[in-house]
Amino acid sequence: ETGVTQTPRHLVMGMTNKKSLKCEQHLGHNAMYWYKQSAKKPLELMFVYNFKEQTENNSVPSRFSPECPNSSHLFLHLHTLQPEDSALYLCASSPSGDNYGYTFGSGTRLTVV
Amino acid sequence: ILNVEQSPQSLHVQEGDSTNFTCSFPSSNFYALHWYRWETAKSPEALFVMTLNGDEKKKGRISATLNTKEGYSYLYIKGSQPEDSATYLCAFQPPPDFGGGTRLMVKP
Repeated sequence: ETGVTQTPRHLVMGMTNKKSLKCEQHLGHNAMYWYKQSAKKPLELMFVYNFKEQTENNSVPSRFSPECPNSSHLFLHLHTLQPEDSALYLCASSPSGDNYGYTFGSGTRLTVV
Repeated sequence: ILNVEQSPQSLHVQEGDSTNFTCSFPSSNFYALHWYRWETAKSPEALFVMTLNGDEKKKGRISATLNTKEGYSYLYIKGSQPEDSATYLCAFQPPPDFGGGTRLMVKP
């Protein structure tokens, strides 16, 4: 366990479903991130939250909606996804600032059918 | 456009060989360069965070160097072991951007 917990580990959803991914950390970190890894592509940054405020939205479609109710929890709400959204979604956290490594969760493997 | 490039994409070595791979990144607007190790079915694990030109960091048999003026970092593994088999990722800040990784396979 890295200290960053993601649930569920695997998710299969239809294109009309609504689901949410959850990320939780109790490391005292103030920054949290969502990354997407599609097959044979580098990790793509989706969203960044610093002290619960969204500081980066990397041109992500509105069918992905993040929520950060506090510094320990981060959600990614999913609705009307497309099959090409099937990927591994990784959450990470770090102390605020640019000079710290990230602690990653194990990811949620999402399949959209 | 991929700002961060890693080479080679994959590498097969024999146990005991030493190896190295490269991360290339934009030399302007540099804050930090990260290296991560990602084993199959596990989470990426931070190895090094490098911030200063000329930085050298070491962790056991793994070390890294940084040249911010020319925009590259090298990761070295001395005496590779099968348990070193993983994908090694570098990330350039800001914002951070990840490279595509180098997949290392060490044969016993």
